[in-house]
Amino acid sequence: EPEVTQTPSHQVTQMGQEVILRCVPISNHLYFYWYRQILGQKVEFLVSFYNNEISEKSEIFDDQFSVERPDGSNFTLKIRSTKLEDSAMYFCASSERVGRGTNEKLFFGSGTQLSVL
Amino acid sequence: AQSVTQLDSQVPVFEEAPVELRCNYSSSVSVYLFWYVQYPNQGLQLLLKYLSGSTLVKGINGFEAEFNKSQTSFHLRKPSVHISDTAEYFCAVSGGNTGKLIFGQGTTLQVKP
Repeated sequence: EPEVTQTPSHQVTQMGQEVILRCVPISNHLYFYWYRQILGQKVEFLVSFYNNEISEKSEIFDDQFSVERPDGSNFTLKIRSTKLEDSAMYFCASSERVGRGTNEKLFFGSGTQLSVL
Repeated sequence: AQSVTQLDSQVPVFEEAPVELRCNYSSSVSVYLFWYVQYPNQGLQLLLKYLSGSTLVKGINGFEAEFNKSQTSFHLRKPSVHISDTAEYFCAVSGGNTGKLIFGQGTTLQVKP
């Protein structure tokens, strides 16, 4: 079965540093997402991306965050100046369909554990 | 606004016993409901989903869930669990045609021999 690939699996960074989390969605998918899970808390929606622009974002996704699809295969999440509270597991997801029922085919990666020291 | 509550953070159960993982939701609109499973060091994998139609939904690995609109519940069940079912289980809700899922806190299923 095709899968979403995330790298690295673990990332350790110093507070204030920029970090880029990388994802390779499934090749024929059109919608891309980032979610995160702080230890002991719920998985939270961050942002959705379609047709090279953000289609929806949560209040968590402030100016410190950005997403990009720099080429035909990668989808990245950048945190400009990391804070301690950014420590979390970050999940990338992708889906194929446009329109009704896109949730039916939401595939998740295995996550990147970000630790901000 | 939508929300999901998973009533149990941990559920220990012996192998071959039945199990139910509880999920309640709130929403002002019609919803889609999902159960995802996360095995150690892996991503979230879709177990089953309810979009419309029959309220009893069957998924992979012998799991099933029942949508109960009056009780706003979507409990996950399996009649006989295996050691390999040990994982984190997430209930999620979506209200439309986007990828925005609202997740519950997760339930850790611990299957003991």
